[in-house]
Amino acid sequence: KAGVTQTPRYLIKTRGQQVTLSCSPISGHRSVSWYQQTPGQGLQFLFEYFSETQRNKGNFPGRFSGRQFSNSRSEMNVSTLELGDSALYLCASSKGQATSYEQYFGPGTRLTVT
Amino acid sequence: AQSVTQLDSQVPVFEEAPVELRCNYSSSVSVYLFWYVQYPNQGLQLLLKYLSGSTLVKGINGFEAEFNKSQTSFHLRKPSVHISDTAEYFCAVRRTGANNLFFGTGTRLTVIP
Repeated sequence: KAGVTQTPRYLIKTRGQQVTLSCSPISGHRSVSWYQQTPGQGLQFLFEYFSETQRNKGNFPGRFSGRQFSNSRSEMNVSTLELGDSALYLCASSKGQATSYEQYFGPGTRLTVT
Repeated sequence: AQSVTQLDSQVPVFEEAPVELRCNYSSSVSVYLFWYVQYPNQGLQLLLKYLSGSTLVKGINGFEAEFNKSQTSFHLRKPSVHISDTAEYFCAVRRTGANNLFFGTGTRLTVIP
């Protein structure tokens, strides 16, 4: 079955602009989590959505937001981009929040802010 | 709060030699433990996980890890590495009742022919 897909794979934006990234989870998965990966800060949790509701949020400013649609697809938005937002953004999906459910990661979207 | 420490940022090892990648964690609550691998320009792939039961966990690609509660460690081992094992390895914890993962800073394993 198809894995987690993220679009676009690469993106270049200018400081001050906003950006929307998309994630399509594995079919049947209802939980989607987003992570930011940078060389300096490593992998950091952004937020998690389950059945269109944000269940958990990491320690990021309000410029970072997300949503989940009824088909479990998720988008994250970053407004007023800063140079430090340059990162690989990873999406992970799982069936739910039960202990045994594994999270499957997508290939990521590499965002470069100039 | 949870935190994960990967003591070695880079580990070079010769092909067919054994390797151990170290991971220590701290948490005030019960956690589950994971090792992920990331190949260049790819996402993360789960190698193995410890949820409960036997403290020795076997994963994919010949990797295994041992959970040591007293030392709060979850070191990853492979008895004989291949060139294809060259990648970044991340240790992660997840507290019970939550889905989000806390990652270590990663260990870059380089297998030398």
